[in-house]
Amino acid sequence: KAGVTQTPRYLIKTRGQQVTLSCSPISGHRSVSWYQQTPGQGLQFLFEYFSETQRNKGNFPGRFSGRQFSNSRSEMNVSTLELGDSALYLCASSLANQDPYEQYFGPGTRLTVT
Amino acid sequence: DAKTTQPPSMDCAEGRAANLPCNHSTISGNEYVYWYRQIHSQGPQYIIHGLKNNETNEMASLIITEDRKSSTLILPHATLRDTAVYYCIVRVDAGGTSYGKLTFGQGTILTVHP
Repeated sequence: KAGVTQTPRYLIKTRGQQVTLSCSPISGHRSVSWYQQTPGQGLQFLFEYFSETQRNKGNFPGRFSGRQFSNSRSEMNVSTLELGDSALYLCASSLANQDPYEQYFGPGTRLTVT
Repeated sequence: DAKTTQPPSMDCAEGRAANLPCNHSTISGNEYVYWYRQIHSQGPQYIIHGLKNNETNEMASLIITEDRKSSTLILPHATLRDTAVYYCIVRVDAGGTSYGKLTFGQGTILTVHP
């Protein structure tokens, strides 16, 4: 079974631009979560989608948004990029949200904002 | 979710057992203990989980104390490829703000030496 895939793997953007990152979950997984990882803050939860609905959201500004499609693929968007948005963005999928709970992570998208 | 405390770093010789401790003294009765690891610049990888009993799988063993206030992840024969950051997470599926969310701390950097 193929793992979680994320595209693109690397991205360089300029301050003020917007960016869209894509995530394809493991086949059959309906829950997709997004995380931001920076050296200073570590791994932080952004949001989670299930059946095209955002069910949970972390403490990030409204510039960070996402969506999920009917095939469970998900995208996240960051508008008006800031230097501090430079990070590794990780997507994770899971079969269901019930304990015990396992998330399967993709390789991440490395975003650099200049 | 209960807070966890892990040593920031540990060393281990190749071929020896690596024992990674985690303190979760405020854990609730329905919270699971999960271990993930993250090899440099990759997405986190699920290792093992447990509730009350000790658990073993092909990757590791998890020993949970009887009072559940601490646990130890054991890699029985560490290899160089086990060098990674190891995260201990406690979690309960409480719906709402738990959907799709794992709360990662700083973890333990395990370095396996030849």
